[in-house]
Amino acid sequence: EAQVTQNPRYLITVTGKKLTVTCSQNMNHEYMSWYRQDPGLGLRQIYYSMNVEVTDKGDVPEGYKVSRKEKRNFPLILESPSPNQTSLYFCASTTSWFSGSRDNEQFFGPGTRLTVL
Amino acid sequence: GENVEQHPSTLSVQEGDSAVIKCTYSDSASNYFPWYKQELGKRPQLIIDIRSNVGEKKDQRIAVTLNKTAKHFSLHITETQPEDSAVYFCAASMKGYSTLTFGKGTMLLVSP
Repeated sequence: EAQVTQNPRYLITVTGKKLTVTCSQNMNHEYMSWYRQDPGLGLRQIYYSMNVEVTDKGDVPEGYKVSRKEKRNFPLILESPSPNQTSLYFCASTTSWFSGSRDNEQFFGPGTRLTVL
Repeated sequence: GENVEQHPSTLSVQEGDSAVIKCTYSDSASNYFPWYKQELGKRPQLIIDIRSNVGEKKDQRIAVTLNKTAKHFSLHITETQPEDSAVYFCAASMKGYSTLTFGKGTMLLVSP
């Protein structure tokens, strides 16, 4: 089954404790992206990756790191989480970053709800 | 960068009525405009999209219109049903998915 998976789905942690949220897709997609969703703010892009070893900042990259060593995986790293990073995080992937279209639909993972105390 | 404004933030309609959600964008270079539906506790899913070389697109009960001159686009849902209840997001991009900017969302409630 074609899918984007995220782990963990729920995480409660404390300020300053490094954490990683994993994202994996089995569709051989080139493009992957991380978003955070906050009430009243919609979805905001954190980082994206156009291909292996190619990443770039989105609109809200501060406090986050990513890596793309393999095509299927795009982990999101919070080296020193803070309470303002409490949010719902979505990973997404698609065949190519270049052309948005119905044929090149961006698929979202199930989401990771992170709480930083 | 791009800025996308979405209105209204909440919309309540009776089953069978039409619903319209409007978005404006700031960058005239944007050329791709998708709409996503997010049911409670679920992930966003693409429901319809339009590119800047097209003024209108329809898919069964949903349609999207685009006015490039005014820099706004709208989602129209006809004959609404309770299962249409969800949060709807518009988005705009000038470079495929690499610069996708979302609106803040509209919570649509369809009452039986």
